[in-house]
Amino acid sequence: AQTVTQSQPEMSVQEAETVTLSCTYDTSESDYYLFWYKQPPSRQMILVIRQEAYKQQNATENRFSVNFQKAAKSFSLKISDSQLGDAAMYFCAYTGANSKLTFGKGITLSVRP
Amino acid sequence: GAGVSQSPSNKVTEKGKDVELRCDPISGHTALYWYRQSLGQGLEFLIYFQGNSAPDKSGLPSDRFSAERTGGSVSTLTIQRTQQEDSAVYLCASSHFGRGRGGNQPQHFGDGTRLSIL
Repeated sequence: AQTVTQSQPEMSVQEAETVTLSCTYDTSESDYYLFWYKQPPSRQMILVIRQEAYKQQNATENRFSVNFQKAAKSFSLKISDSQLGDAAMYFCAYTGANSKLTFGKGITLSVRP
Repeated sequence: GAGVSQSPSNKVTEKGKDVELRCDPISGHTALYWYRQSLGQGLEFLIYFQGNSAPDKSGLPSDRFSAERTGGSVSTLTIQRTQQEDSAVYLCASSHFGRGRGGNQPQHFGDGTRLSIL
């Protein structure tokens, strides 16, 4: 079975600074996808970024980028130029052949003005 | 365009009652998923529908839980004889279908239904 681990329950960052959220996973599959989702208090899970395991290039979406280390099974999210609106819970998630998402426990990110 | 719609937004009911939660996926999405989010267990997969295939029910926690998807669109999650441990946020997601390299499509989530069992 696949597992996703987010070991940090909380992080804080100063507005305009950079923060990195950590995630590790375990799988025996060779083809899989990794995601970061953001969940603000409104409850809706919003897709932040997606990484295909077969691609070596790290995914980037504007201020969000990942550091995907396949051999180490590590998938961290870097948020640059942090904004107050980035404050939320962030979930790392995995999906493979069975299509269903396996989530980490999540991390609460706060942004200090 | 319209996103995934879930109703009701909040539901409070007494222990032992049955509840029905509704999910209306994004038009054209053939895959539909139900997840449960609770403080103790985090986010858990419940059930997955894809087209006309038999659903993957491997995440349903007990036989009190069931779900159906009519006409390949709207889905209803039913919880019978509710227990206090059923209190959680129930999230629905939908996606285009794809599998394997280049295939798996991102899941788009609704706002969830917060279920409280008294």
